[in-house]
This record gives sequence, structure tokens and C-alpha cells, in this order.
Amino acid sequence: ELKVEQNPLFLSMQEGKNYTIYCNYSTTSDRLYWYRQDPGKSLESLFVLLSNGAVKQEGRLMASLDTKARLSTLHITAAVHDLSATYFCAGINTGNQFYFGTGTSLTVIP
Amino acid sequence: EAQVTQNPRYLITVTGKKLTVTCSQNMNHEYMSWYRQDPGLGLRQIYYSMNVEVTDKGDVPEGYKVSRKEKRNFPLILESPSPNQTSLYFCASSSTGSYSYEQYFGPGTRLTVT
Repeated sequence: ELKVEQNPLFLSMQEGKNYTIYCNYSTTSDRLYWYRQDPGKSLESLFVLLSNGAVKQEGRLMASLDTKARLSTLHITAAVHDLSATYFCAGINTGNQFYFGTGTSLTVIP
Repeated sequence: EAQVTQNPRYLITVTGKKLTVTCSQNMNHEYMSWYRQDPGLGLRQIYYSMNVEVTDKGDVPEGYKVSRKEKRNFPLILESPSPNQTSLYFCASSSTGSYSYEQYFGPGTRLTVT
């Protein structure tokens, strides 16, 4: 079983600050996913990281993958209120079964 | 518009009364999946399907059934629902051709079993 752990679980940050969400996973997963979920809404795909060293950026969010350390990070630059949401990372095993972390609830305070 | 649809969006039922939640996608995706989301537990995969007539158990398949008779549809069946199946359910689909398996999620079905 692929275990996926995120931290922190809750994050309150001021507008304009930078922060990183960490996603550790237990066994080999050569693909790592980040999703965003707004309250009462469905999940939206943010990033798909397909190989070691992959880095993707969209606006104030940047995701990276280190398969040797079994670690992915989601870095937030100069946070704005619109980024308040819950962020999930997920891995996929060789049998194509997905495993999600428990999510990081991000609140950006003006 | 490319989308994954689920019906119903909200359902309140009683213990033991069989129900089906439908899921349909219009993107010709091979991979379809069902998840349940519970507070503090994230999303857990119930069943997934790589293609028509191919289904596999996820992490929490007990009490659920699925079928994949057509590529676009992947219904979730609860033959005898129990209160511990009260949850928010999501269907998702993805293409397997690109290797990325990037998933597109439906709007969710909130199920309450009393």
C-alpha cells in the first residue's frame, strides 16, 4: 500500500508571505498529483509531476518532485486570499490505484 | 463541454435500501474511479476501472459494487447501505494514453444513510 502524508494539515498565512506544503509517500510512485478543493466543491487538478526532478509552476504555485526522497512540495509565493482552499497530493501505484493525502487546509489572512 | 456528471447530487436514504449513483463522462476516457471523502481521511478510492468490463478494488471496496458495461458510464451500487457509508462521493475519469492519468472529477454526491 502506498501511504501519502501531507504536512501541515492546517496552515494559516498572511497575504504576501511564502510557504511550502510537504507531501511524503512511502513506496515508489513515479507520478505525483496535486489538487485543489474549494469548500463545498469538487477537486480541481493543479499539477501532474511525472518524473524525478519535475518542477511545474502556475501563477503563485510551484510544485516539485524528488522521487529519491519520496517527497513532493507545493510552494506558495506571495499568498493571496484567492489561494485559500484545501490542497491534496496523491500518488499512484504500479497497479494504477490512487492514494491521497489527508489534505492541507490553507487560509490566507489579509 | 468536457465533463464528468454524477446523479443524484444529494441523497438521503434508509439503511438497507438499495441505491445507485450514476457517473458519466464525455471525454472518451478509459480510466474511471470512485472515491469517498470523509473529514480527516482525505479521499479513499473505492473501485476503479481501466476500461470496459475491467474493474478493480481500491482501498475501501466493502459494501460497494460497480460495473463498467460502457466506456462512458461507471455506476456505483450500494446494495444494502449502512450509516457508515454516509459520505461525500466523487467519480473521476482520466485518459490512460498520456501516462499522466490526470483525473477529472465530477461534482460529488452527498449521501446520508439513516
